[in-house]
Amino acid sequence: QKEVEQDPGPLSVPEGAIVSLNCTYSNSAFQYFMWYRQYSRKGPELLMYTYSSGNKEDGRFTAQVDKSSKYISLFIRDSQPSDSATYLCAMSGAGTDKLIFGTGTRLQVFP
Amino acid sequence: GAVVSQHPSWVICKSGTSVKIECRSLDFQATTMFWYRQFPKQSLMLMATSNEGSKATYEQGVEKDKFLINHASLTLSTLTVTSAHPEDSSFYICSASLQGGTEAFFGQGTRLTVV
Repeated sequence: QKEVEQDPGPLSVPEGAIVSLNCTYSNSAFQYFMWYRQYSRKGPELLMYTYSSGNKEDGRFTAQVDKSSKYISLFIRDSQPSDSATYLCAMSGAGTDKLIFGTGTRLQVFP
Repeated sequence: GAVVSQHPSWVICKSGTSVKIECRSLDFQATTMFWYRQFPKQSLMLMATSNEGSKATYEQGVEKDKFLINHASLTLSTLTVTSAHPEDSSFYICSASLQGGTEAFFGQGTRLTVV
């Protein structure tokens, strides 16, 4: 079993839709959770960073962490064609800055 | 956010030659940088942790003599792919974190093609 599981997609939605991206993990020591967006042939760009359980909102993006279920989510409201990219979840434990990545979910938002 | 610059963004080299990739933290100092490899439609695979002033820590299965890492200053780490072969063709990405922080900031990536 992988430490971090993420549905690879692709996920195809119409413009304006609400998108839900998810990751599950097995290591209860993970405390820091991140979402990255990666456009084709580019490096990942940090979107959201959360510590422990709870919600965090930034514009159209909301990150949720449920440590009891070992489940994290990224919601994108009013999705735009420019949101089309691969979204990677990543996490790490206390005392380490080594990140464990999910496989990434490819999102396509069509006009 | 912090800026990490990676150079070159792409390189084509002949089989048997060596290629050096640079990773710089432009507006912050990074005692630790990370080097990843990414195959098409796959996630990032950590290759090694680059530590300023000391030897890099390699992940299991990564050849130390093939992927030479040097972290000579707090703002620069280099990855040299020695005696490159076509199977080394991949997308290589570096990252760095602010000291005491856990968010990682990534470079633009380097697409290496070995012919």
